[in-house]
Amino acid sequence: TQLLEQSPQFLSIQEGENLTVYCNSSSVFSSLQWYRQEPGEGPVLLVTVVTGGEVKKLKRLTFQFGDARKDSSLHITAAQTGDTGLYLCATHLIQGAQKLVFGQGTRLTINP
Amino acid sequence: DTEVTQTPKHLVMGMTNKKSLKCEQHMGHRAMYWYKQKAKKPPELMFVYSYEKLSINESVPSRFSPECPNSSLLNLHLHALQPEDSALYLCASSQGSLNYGYTFGSGTRLTVV
Repeated sequence: TQLLEQSPQFLSIQEGENLTVYCNSSSVFSSLQWYRQEPGEGPVLLVTVVTGGEVKKLKRLTFQFGDARKDSSLHITAAQTGDTGLYLCATHLIQGAQKLVFGQGTRLTINP
Repeated sequence: DTEVTQTPKHLVMGMTNKKSLKCEQHMGHRAMYWYKQKAKKPPELMFVYSYEKLSINESVPSRFSPECPNSSLLNLHLHALQPEDSALYLCASSQGSLNYGYTFGSGTRLTVV
């Protein structure tokens, strides 16, 4: 069973459209992070959300942490071809030491 | 310097070869990590080093041997790998605190033939 469930797993839309991807769990988290990964590169941190109900904006990207701190969403307004990539949510687990675990990702393709 | 540098970028090795992957960071991060990523899958944790000591081994086969010579360097020694070990190997570092993000390198694309 996946700790973090992301949906949809694949999304292909036209440039200029809006989209939302989701990251859900039955567990409560102290924080949650979103990363974006392009082919042949490592993931790059986009945002960390910590407080339940928190909303953070990064240009056309809006991130929200659920009130109960069990879920998060990423909304992109007026998508651009440069937004294409693998979007990963992640959270920290403490098992003797801290480790970051990822959801299975949403592969986003923005078509011109 | 805000980067994690991994070398080589690509590596092809035979099943009887011994090779090493290298990772370097100069951000003063006290935790360093090795992840393995197969095609169309998320990164999966292999090892965690904290203050240069191995603190997590995610039941990784002994043909993968990590080493942390100092606080800036992390190596992954490879020996007698199998074709199914072919993957993108990512190194990352972090402050070690829960709300800090990880900085990932660009990875080494490993092919075992």
